[in-house]
Amino acid sequence: AQKVTQAQTEISVVEKEDVTLDCVYETRDTTYYLFWYKQPPSGELVFLIRRNSFDEQNEISGRYSWNFQKSTSSFNFTITASQVVDSAVYFCALSGMLTGNQFYFGTGTSLTVIP
Amino acid sequence: DTGVSQDPRHKITKRGQNVTFRCDPISEHNRLYWYRQTLGQGPEFLTYFQNEAQLEKSRLLSNRFSAERPKGSFSTLEIQRTEQGDSAMYLCASSLAGWDEAFFGQGTRLTVV
Repeated sequence: AQKVTQAQTEISVVEKEDVTLDCVYETRDTTYYLFWYKQPPSGELVFLIRRNSFDEQNEISGRYSWNFQKSTSSFNFTITASQVVDSAVYFCALSGMLTGNQFYFGTGTSLTVIP
Repeated sequence: DTGVSQDPRHKITKRGQNVTFRCDPISEHNRLYWYRQTLGQGPEFLTYFQNEAQLEKSRLLSNRFSAERPKGSFSTLEIQRTEQGDSAMYLCASSLAGWDEAFFGQGTRLTVV
C-alpha cells in the first residue's frame, strides 16, 4: 500500500524564521518518486520538487531545501528565512511504479507566515 | 501553452442533475489525471489516462462517474445524478510520462445544493 503522512496540520512562524515540514511515506515499491506541491490560497497546486528513490542527495533551491532519508522513509522540506508569500498549504506526494504512477497525497500542512 | 486549463471554474447544481467538466492538458503530455479534493484534505485519485486509454479507476469513482479522453487530447468528467457528497474541488493534472511531475489545473469547484 502507498501512504503519505504529514503529521503537522498547521504551522505558524514569524517572518524570517526557518521552518521544516515533515513527510513520512510507506510503499512496497522499490522504484518510486516523491514530490512536494504548494497550494496557495488561489487553489492551484504548484509543483516544487521531484526526487526518485535512488537519489538520496539533499537538494537546495534558493530558500528551499529537501532532505530525503530512505532509512526513515522521510522526505522533509525546509524553508529558510520564511516570507509571507510562503503562506500556503504544502502537500507531499508519492508515486510508484507498481501502482501505475498515480499520485498519493498527504493531508497537507498549512503554513502561515506572520509578518 | 500556458498549462492545464479546466472549465468551468465553478459549478452550482441541484441534487440529481448531471454535470460535465472539461480539462485541457498541456499539449505534449500523454498522461492525464483526475483528482478530487475536499476541504482540509489532500487530493484523492479518481482516474487516469495514458493517451486515450483509461488505465485505472479509483473505488471512489462510483458508476455515476464517467471520464473520457477522446483522441488522447482533452478529457471530460461527467457526474450523473449528483449528490451533496459530490461537492468538492475536481482537479485535473497532466504529465509527460508516468514518472514525471504532474502539472495541475486550477480546478472546478462543484457545489451540489
